[in-house]
Amino acid sequence: SAVISQKPSRDICQRGTSLTIQCQVDSQVTMMFWYRQQPGQSLTLIATANQGSEATYESGFVIDKFPISRPNLTFSTLTVSNMSPEDSSIYLCSVLIGTYGYTFGSGTRLTVV
Amino acid sequence: AQKITQTQPGMFVQEKEAVTLDCTYDTSDQSYGLFWYKQPSSGEMIFLIYQGSYDEQNATEGRYSLNFQKARKSANLVISASQLGDSAMYFCAMREPYNQGGKLIFGQGTELSVKP
Repeated sequence: SAVISQKPSRDICQRGTSLTIQCQVDSQVTMMFWYRQQPGQSLTLIATANQGSEATYESGFVIDKFPISRPNLTFSTLTVSNMSPEDSSIYLCSVLIGTYGYTFGSGTRLTVV
Repeated sequence: AQKITQTQPGMFVQEKEAVTLDCTYDTSDQSYGLFWYKQPSSGEMIFLIYQGSYDEQNATEGRYSLNFQKARKSANLVISASQLGDSAMYFCAMREPYNQGGKLIFGQGTELSVKP
């Protein structure tokens, strides 16, 4: 299994600002994902972070709002841009190790005021 | 499109008893994987158990077992001898085929409360 360090663990941000979340893995991984979990809801995939190319976004999520970088096989960032209170959620990164080893970071609890 | 359904928003179980959390899925793919995760109030996602679509035996991991009924497209989680620490949200998930992205799709979740 992989160890994922996700930062920050929580933040309170003003509306209209942006927050960048970091995800560092202790081993090289091919597949890395970013999820959003709104209060009381399940996890929804935002995008798949592709190394060296643009992320693949799910329906309802756009690059301008959630830009993602993946400069190498161990690191990725997700930015939540121009935040509004509706962006208050837990954001989680996840990686795949082997055929079914999906590991999650500890999550970033974001509150937008 | 693939879909995961958990119809029990909340469940209660007495400590030391067994509990079954329901999960049904829908897919047209022959190869897929089914997962259960536990999410305590801290928010972390803890992997519990995995079942591959071609696995003939039901998966087991300690007190967790997966009741896999392929024809009925169900993958229920059974927790035996419930403990107070089992109180959490439980999510069923299905993996898309790798050639379609390999992402996990999650059900709505079931909140389990274990009573002393």
